[in-house]
Amino acid sequence: EAGVAQSPRYKIIEKRQSVAFWCNPISGHATLYWYQQILGQGPKLLIQFQNNGVVDDSQLPKDRFSAERLKGVDSTLKIQPAKLEDSAVYLCASSRPYGQGVYNEQFFGPGTRLTVL
Amino acid sequence: AQKVTQAQTEISVVEKEDVTLDCVYETRDTTYYLFWYKQPPSGELVFLIRRNSFDEQNEISGRYSWNFQKSTSSFNFTITASQVVDSAVYFCALRGGTYKYIFGTGTRLKVLA
Repeated sequence: EAGVAQSPRYKIIEKRQSVAFWCNPISGHATLYWYQQILGQGPKLLIQFQNNGVVDDSQLPKDRFSAERLKGVDSTLKIQPAKLEDSAVYLCASSRPYGQGVYNEQFFGPGTRLTVL
Repeated sequence: AQKVTQAQTEISVVEKEDVTLDCVYETRDTTYYLFWYKQPPSGELVFLIRRNSFDEQNEISGRYSWNFQKSTSSFNFTITASQVVDSAVYFCALRGGTYKYIFGTGTRLKVLA
């Protein structure tokens, strides 16, 4: 089966500009996650969707970050305006819906490497 | 609060040596799940192994094995007969009842030819 798709793979912007990332999860995976991974650190969850609904966005900087998942499939993550400290890899992951399967392990996309100058 | 600690920042071994990566976790949930992921230089996180809190039986899968001990809150991962292709950053992750994953800071493994 096809894996998690993300685009673009790389993005370079100047601070105060806007940027958007796109994610297409594995077919049938109702749960979708966006992570921020700063160089040398582990992934940090930004937002978690179950279908269209937000399950957890407690670590999402809502003054500049937003995310949506229309129709419960694709998702976009936006940063507006970007700051230097937003330079990181943004990872999208998906897993089976809650209640289906025991482990619901996540499967990750290749990530988008963002550089803010 | 949930927490995952990977105290080993970087490990270097010579090819064919065995290597164990340590993971210590904290959670108040009685039901939880533990995972190991590999992140090669390409950047994509790859799922490796998993264990739930009710099953402490340790397993071997090919060159991978894991040791889960609830008494010490540890979930260690061993690669037997390491290969250069095993060079990567390895992350331990914990998922509690809320389906929220907490990742450790990772251990960089370098396997030298």
